[in-house]
Amino acid sequence: NAGVTQTPKFQVLKTGQSMTLQCAQDMNHEYMSWYRQDPGMGLRLIHYSVGAGITDQGEVPNGYNVSRSTTEDFPLRLLSAAPSQTSVYFCASRKGSTDTQYFGPGTRLTVL
Amino acid sequence: AQSVTQLGSHVSVSEGALVLLRCNYSSSVPPYLFWYVQYPNQGLQLLLKYTTGATLVKGINGFEAEFKKSETSFHLTKPSAHMSDAAEYFCAVSGGTGRRALTFGSGTRLQVQP
Repeated sequence: NAGVTQTPKFQVLKTGQSMTLQCAQDMNHEYMSWYRQDPGMGLRLIHYSVGAGITDQGEVPNGYNVSRSTTEDFPLRLLSAAPSQTSVYFCASRKGSTDTQYFGPGTRLTVL
Repeated sequence: AQSVTQLGSHVSVSEGALVLLRCNYSSSVPPYLFWYVQYPNQGLQLLLKYTTGATLVKGINGFEAEFKKSETSFHLTKPSAHMSDAAEYFCAVSGGTGRRALTFGSGTRLQVQP
């Protein structure tokens, strides 16, 4: 199993550009989530999904969109990048509510 | 609603000393609680978790945590610190509607002095 994979690992954007962060898992997990990590703030939940076709907002959803058309993939779209979105983004997945959550290696995004 | 408070953003201990990282939570339902560790430039990996049953939970690398409902706490301990324990540690809670997502604390960076 590859586990949770994320692409790209690094990305630099200009303000106003859009892009999609990719996330995939091969463990047949129902739950998938996107977090952003900023110094001193821990991980903050952006969006999550409990299965294909079902998504919901987390703590900091503004400026981000998600969709879940398959169990495996959970892309995160930045609609119009802003400097405040400079962060490290982690995708995670887990089988069920009591199960271990597995994290991807992260995407380091800089918005100029 | 659920939340996690980690007391102390930085903790420094000497090698061989006791490690104590504090975590308090709030949850509207009986919580599921987790500790994760993050080494530099890496993702997070699970140290241990509490869902139901025994309130003292043992994890990897000699860490353990005790769920204390009356104190709404889930502090992480290790009897003897090792240099390799230097990392950032995150407490997380899963509670509320469907336990659908984890809420993380702000993290505690552990330094181990030789």
